[in-house]
Amino acid sequence: KNEVEQSPQNLTAQEGEFITINCSYSVGISALHWLQQHPGGGIVSLFMLSSGKKKHGRLIATINIQEKHSSLHITASHPRDSAVYICAAYSKAAGNKLTFGGGTRVLVKP
Amino acid sequence: KAGVTQTPRYLIKTRGQQVTLSCSPISGHRSVSWYQQTPGQGLQFLFEYFSETQRNKGNFPGRFSGRQFSNSRSEMNVSTLELGDSALYLCASSSSDRGLTNEKLFFGSGTQLSVL
Repeated sequence: KNEVEQSPQNLTAQEGEFITINCSYSVGISALHWLQQHPGGGIVSLFMLSSGKKKHGRLIATINIQEKHSSLHITASHPRDSAVYICAAYSKAAGNKLTFGGGTRVLVKP
Repeated sequence: KAGVTQTPRYLIKTRGQQVTLSCSPISGHRSVSWYQQTPGQGLQFLFEYFSETQRNKGNFPGRFSGRQFSNSRSEMNVSTLELGDSALYLCASSSSDRGLTNEKLFFGSGTQLSVL
């Protein structure tokens, strides 16, 4: 079982819809990254969270360290949000390394 | 400011050979980390270097090694290549000594390695 699980694996939304991607992890962590990967491979770092909530434009990320869960929300989704979203957890307990979720492929239709 | 530069962009090797990949971080960034991405396993962490020292290491065999130079440029080497080493190899740099827990990781475009 992967230490970091993402759901759903795939998501299709209509333009303007609210999107939520979930990430859960099994070990204690000190930080969690949300990344965006577009076709062609380029990865962009969206957020790093160690507690609470962060917002950037239409993107909101939250984390609950005790419940070992994080969510990425996209408000008013747009076709340009179509990408793979990946969470990555940093854990000292797991050997000071980043462990990645399997990714959520998001398609936003106009 | 130039982004993270990885060379070469594409590489084809045969089983048993070795390969060296290069990563030049953003100017001023001292942390460089390496990742392997495959369709089957997704993204996996290889190692992180800071100020020429390996700080963190993932669960890869000893055939995978790396180093960092005094100008923060980093190389990773894979010896005795296997078919399963075919992957996109990505590096990322960050600006502070917090490395993997820094606010932003800046990724290069990757080196696509094919092992025949």
